[in-house]
Amino acid sequence: GAGVSQSPRYKVAKRGQDVALRCDPISGHVSLFWYQQALGQGPEFLTYFQNEAQLDKSGLPSDRFFAERPEGSVSTLKIQRTQQEDSAVYLCASSLGGQPGRETQYFGPGTRLLVL
Amino acid sequence: AQSVTQPDIHITVSEGASLELRCNYSYGATPYLFWYVQSPGQGLQLLLKYFSGDTLVQGIKGFEAEFKRSQSSFNLRKPSVHWSDAAEYFCAVGLYNFNKFYFGSGTKLNVKP
Repeated sequence: GAGVSQSPRYKVAKRGQDVALRCDPISGHVSLFWYQQALGQGPEFLTYFQNEAQLDKSGLPSDRFFAERPEGSVSTLKIQRTQQEDSAVYLCASSLGGQPGRETQYFGPGTRLLVL
Repeated sequence: AQSVTQPDIHITVSEGASLELRCNYSYGATPYLFWYVQSPGQGLQLLLKYFSGDTLVQGIKGFEAEFKRSQSSFNLRKPSVHWSDAAEYFCAVGLYNFNKFYFGSGTKLNVKP
């Protein structure tokens, strides 16, 4: 079946603009994750959903970052008033929702955000 | 501090040579361990994972990894590297009842012809 898809693949924003990044998880996957990957770094956790419930948002770097998954499938990560330090690749992952920590996460190709 | 360490930022090997990528972690309990590979413009693809049992695990594309509790390590190995293995490799840790993964900073593998 189809994997995790993300759109857009590339986004250039002017500083101060709002952006919205979309994630389509694997069908039937209960858990959905957002990670931020800065250049030359490993992914860093942003937030986690179980169905439509956002159970962990401890990694969101500021209140300019907001994520939602209103119907328990597609998710949107919104960044308001973008700053240059927000430039990164934003990765979405999904999993079946089994035992936390050991469930394989399947990753999308990412959205590369460049803030000028 | 809790962390995942991949000490080698870049590694270059000749095609056909063996490969070992290092990963160390510092967490209190035995973690769940994963290796992912990321090719340019691609998402992370799972190579293999370790939860318990046999400490030598086999993965896709001819990769294997060995968990050594005494060294808090989970090194990735391949006996003979192919040019198509050139990519960036990430070690990740999952913890019991924590949903997030913790990633190392990655090792970029170059393969010489």
